[in-house]
Amino acid sequence: QVQLQESGPGLVKPSETLSLTCDVSGASISDNWWSWARQFPGKGLEWIGEMYHGGSPTYNPSLGGRVTISLDKSKNQFSLRLSSVTAADTAVYYCARNGYYDLQYWGQGTPVTVSS
Amino acid sequence: EIVLTQSPGTLSLSPGERATLSCRASQSVSSNFLAWYQQKPGQAPRLLIYGVSNRATGIPDRFSGSGSGTDFSLTIATLEPEDFAVYYCQQYGGSPLYTFGQGTRLEIK
Repeated sequence: QVQLQESGPGLVKPSETLSLTCDVSGASISDNWWSWARQFPGKGLEWIGEMYHGGSPTYNPSLGGRVTISLDKSKNQFSLRLSSVTAADTAVYYCARNGYYDLQYWGQGTPVTVSS
Repeated sequence: EIVLTQSPGTLSLSPGERATLSCRASQSVSSNFLAWYQQKPGQAPRLLIYGVSNRATGIPDRFSGSGSGTDFSLTIATLEPEDFAVYYCQQYGGSPLYTFGQGTRLEIK
């Protein structure tokens, strides 16, 4: 059974970098595509980016080059870094395993608030 | 960007009734890469349907998807109490690669 668990700070100051990690169990980080998505307080969903082990990541252009996704095969986890955050980045952040051009398995989500 | 517009915003029905939710795309969805998710309060979205009409693992057969091009729908044949939730459609293939509709809230009448 595939399980994903996000972790990281729940509060980030404006202009700083948001860093989250997703621990994966029940699947190998080397064998699938992996994504990050977020859900805003108004409930809208936004895909952030995806990556495959050994490949180049693809990001949502709306994030303007602020995002980095990386995989750590030794720990079977993947990470998200979002720089220069503002209040507009306040959301619940989800990690997910990709399926057939969809997000097949999701973590439970971690809320992140950007505030000084 | 491919914009997905879901209708209605809220659907009020009773258990045992049939529900039909709509998702319209601003341009044709590549190779029918259209998925549906269910989200309950405090939970992550759950994949229901992929590739327009394929049920994900463990999804009851009362859920079905259909459509092509720009018009898609999710049908719940006979509503069960646990089906009342928010439903999102999602497409793959534009830029950004994945976009979601704004959601339809299915509430108990």
